[in-house]
Amino acid sequence: EAQVTQNPRYLITVTGKKLTVTCSQNMNHEYMSWYRQDPGLGLRQIYYSMNVEVTDKGDVPEGYKVSRKEKRNFPLILESPSPNQTSLYFCASSSPSGGAEDTQYFGPGTRLTVL
Amino acid sequence: QKEVEQDPGPLSVPEGAIVSLNCTYSNSAFQYFMWYRQYSRKGPELLMYTYSSGNKEDGRFTAQVDKSSKYISLFIRDSQPSDSATYLCAMSVTGGSYIPTFGRGTSLIVHP
Repeated sequence: EAQVTQNPRYLITVTGKKLTVTCSQNMNHEYMSWYRQDPGLGLRQIYYSMNVEVTDKGDVPEGYKVSRKEKRNFPLILESPSPNQTSLYFCASSSPSGGAEDTQYFGPGTRLTVL
Repeated sequence: QKEVEQDPGPLSVPEGAIVSLNCTYSNSAFQYFMWYRQYSRKGPELLMYTYSSGNKEDGRFTAQVDKSSKYISLFIRDSQPSDSATYLCAMSVTGGSYIPTFGRGTSLIVHP
């Protein structure tokens, strides 16, 4: 089954404690992205990657890091989480084949609470 | 002004009603327009995808794009309780959807 998986699905942590949210896709997609979703603000892109070892900032990259060492994995790293990073996070992947095939497939989400 | 404006709702309608969901945008370079549906506690999933102006129909769903007015719509005919979800519009300049701009989403409730 084609899917994007994220782990953990729920995480409660404290300010300053480094954490990593993993994302993996089994569709051999080149593009992967991270979004955060907040009430009233909608989906905002944090980082995206066009291929292995190629990453770029989205709209809200401050406080986040990413890496793309393998095509299928795109972890999101919070080196020193703060309460304003409490949010619902989505990973997405897509393939630049043109048309509707460009659509992004989203993971199930990770709900992060930073105390 | 946000690049994409979407009323967050909630929009509550009776089963069987025709639903109209809308977004306006300011960037005239947008050419690709998408509607995503997001159920509670799930990730968004693509519902409709259109290029440039015009209509596209898929079952009970019709997507409409009016580039001259910078306005897009999603119509749902014969709405069902299972259509209750948040609907997000998204648009991009290029076909590559890795850099789409999303609306805030409209919460739709279809009651029996």
